[in-house]
Amino acid sequence: GAVVSQHPSWVICKSGTSVKIECRSLDFQATTMFWYRQFPKQSLMLMATSNEGSKATYEQGVEKDKFLINHASLTLSTLTVTSAHPEDSSFYICSAPNRTNNYGYTFGSGTRLTVV
Amino acid sequence: DAKTTQPTSMDCAEGRAANLPCNHSTISGNEYVYWYRQIHSQGPQYIIHGLKNNETNEMASLIITEDRKSSTLILPHATLRDTAVYYCIVRPYSGNTPLVFGKGTRLSVIA
Repeated sequence: GAVVSQHPSWVICKSGTSVKIECRSLDFQATTMFWYRQFPKQSLMLMATSNEGSKATYEQGVEKDKFLINHASLTLSTLTVTSAHPEDSSFYICSAPNRTNNYGYTFGSGTRLTVV
Repeated sequence: DAKTTQPTSMDCAEGRAANLPCNHSTISGNEYVYWYRQIHSQGPQYIIHGLKNNETNEMASLIITEDRKSSTLILPHATLRDTAVYYCIVRPYSGNTPLVFGKGTRLSVIA
């Protein structure tokens, strides 16, 4: 149980275009979703926290107008990378609190974004 | 910043036990020790967590020192599929605080 489905798994886009990444909680309600990004050979860095029905909070240095987060329902949170540039190429991962059995977090499978 | 310190990398022979250490000397009384792993190009996977007692599940064992300043994750019989980056994280048991990842330990299981 407690699966977070993340799509797409990978995407290649041209500079200047926007890309939307979706994370769905399949068998539980995710009132909170954390968004991370991971550059090659580096650890996961928290970008933002989204809460259902309210505005997301962003970590220092993360541009909220560039990384649009929407959490309109208890089962869906989306991250849109707007006007993507090559430096936005990264591995994006979502995560939601899992209260079923371990009070840990369930992670999506990640999205590999390549901007050309 | 992460509150844990782990070795950068370790090797382990297939079939042998892998013992991954973690230092968390500033852990608070209400914080648990969590272990996750990340296989290449996948999302992190929960392994185990504990407060002060040793814990065991189908994946691993967690040994926490009495002063709780360090812990060891034990994979009893490592396989090639256990090759991954292992993260030791401390966080409160309840609440929605995000996981803060350190650099982790890159475990390579060698045939």
